[in-house]
Amino acid sequence: QLQLQESGPGLVKPSETLSLTCTVSGGSISSSSYYWGWIRQPPGKGLEWIGSIYYSGSTYYNPSLKSRVTISVDTSKNQFSLKLSSVTAADTAVYYCASMVTWYFDLWGRGTLVTVSS
Amino acid sequence: EIVLTQSPATLSLSPGERATLSCGASQSVSSSYLAWYQQKPGLAPRLLIYDASSRATGIPDRFSGSGSGTDFTLTISRLEPEDFAVYYCQQYGSSPYTFGQGTKLEIK
Repeated sequence: QLQLQESGPGLVKPSETLSLTCTVSGGSISSSSYYWGWIRQPPGKGLEWIGSIYYSGSTYYNPSLKSRVTISVDTSKNQFSLKLSSVTAADTAVYYCASMVTWYFDLWGRGTLVTVSS
Repeated sequence: EIVLTQSPATLSLSPGERATLSCGASQSVSSSYLAWYQQKPGLAPRLLIYDASSRATGIPDRFSGSGSGTDFTLTISRLEPEDFAVYYCQQYGSSPYTFGQGTKLEIK
């Protein structure tokens, strides 16, 4: 049974870089069946796709965040990661990682709240 | 970017009733690449429907999806107490992949 778990700091200072990792268990991140994605949800608000990656390293980003986002994959650790630079309070959100079949999100991690504050 | 508009924002119904949730797209969603998710407080969203009308694994058959082009519908035939939650639609026909703002289904 595929499972995903986000990890990383819960508090980031303004202008710094948010870094999160998603660990995949119960299956291989190198599976050709899946893409892997990040989604965020500000408190009390809706969902926003951040970007996605294939095990080969091909990346796909939301243009609204593209200049600040880097997603990478580490197949040896069965993990993929998100970096979001120059964060502001508007980046405070619950960040989810998810597996993707074509481009919908079929299995989600539990999410991790990241607060941007000094 | 395709903008998805969900209606109503809030739907108040009783258990046993039928729920109809709508998702309208600002332009046609190619190949009916539309998904529906359910989210309960404090939990991650759960995939219900993909490709507009295909139920995800383990989803009860009281959930059904329909539609094409710019108009899509999620129907819950007979509401169970556990169905009261927020529902989101998502299009994945063109990047960026976007979500609707959600419909809150609450107990009347």
